[in-house]
Amino acid sequence: AQSVTQPDIHITVSEGASLELRCNYSYGATPYLFWYVQSPGQGLQLLLKYFSGDTLVQGIKGFEAEFKRSQSSFNLRKPSVHWSDAAEYFCAVGALGGGADGLTFGKGTHLIIQP
Amino acid sequence: EPEVTQTPSHQVTQMGQEVILRCVPISNHLYFYWYRQILGQKVEFLVSFYNNEISEKSEIFDDQFSVERPDGSNFTLKIRSTKLEDSAMYFCASNLGTKSDTQYFGPGTRLTVL
Repeated sequence: AQSVTQPDIHITVSEGASLELRCNYSYGATPYLFWYVQSPGQGLQLLLKYFSGDTLVQGIKGFEAEFKRSQSSFNLRKPSVHWSDAAEYFCAVGALGGGADGLTFGKGTHLIIQP
Repeated sequence: EPEVTQTPSHQVTQMGQEVILRCVPISNHLYFYWYRQILGQKVEFLVSFYNNEISEKSEIFDDQFSVERPDGSNFTLKIRSTKLEDSAMYFCASNLGTKSDTQYFGPGTRLTVL
């Protein structure tokens, strides 16, 4: 069965500093990987996704993520965080081909931005 | 930009009552999903729906739950007899169903069972 591990429950970063949120996945085939962001009281907004091709994917709001098959990782990065980036970040994995399969989410990383 | 909508945003009910959560998926999407997120926990898949039938369901989706597409636009989740542990945020999602497609999530309905 597929699984996603986000080892950091909370991360605190100063505004303007760089950010990396870790995500490791377990999946028997080629995964389809996502990062979603959830602001307080809001739904899930897609930041970026990896399907195939270039292993470094660009997303919205200046985020990027790199797929590393050898490490089963899909870490999210941002070179300079803004206070508005404070939110909960979820990594998710799905079956290649989309369709009926539900996504499997990690437990999330709560990002706190210090002024 | 088209989006998934959900109503109500917050539903309070008594234990044992039936609730229906409503979703309007993006209009040309073919696959529909329900997820739930218990407070402070991860988002969990409940069920997927395609061509007017359930495609996949998780072990959470027991006989107390049912889904329906009653017309061309709505997609509903019914909980027949709510329990305290059903209190959660329920998210609806949809996608085109083509390879590599993304699931787009609605804003959620917060269900509180008293």
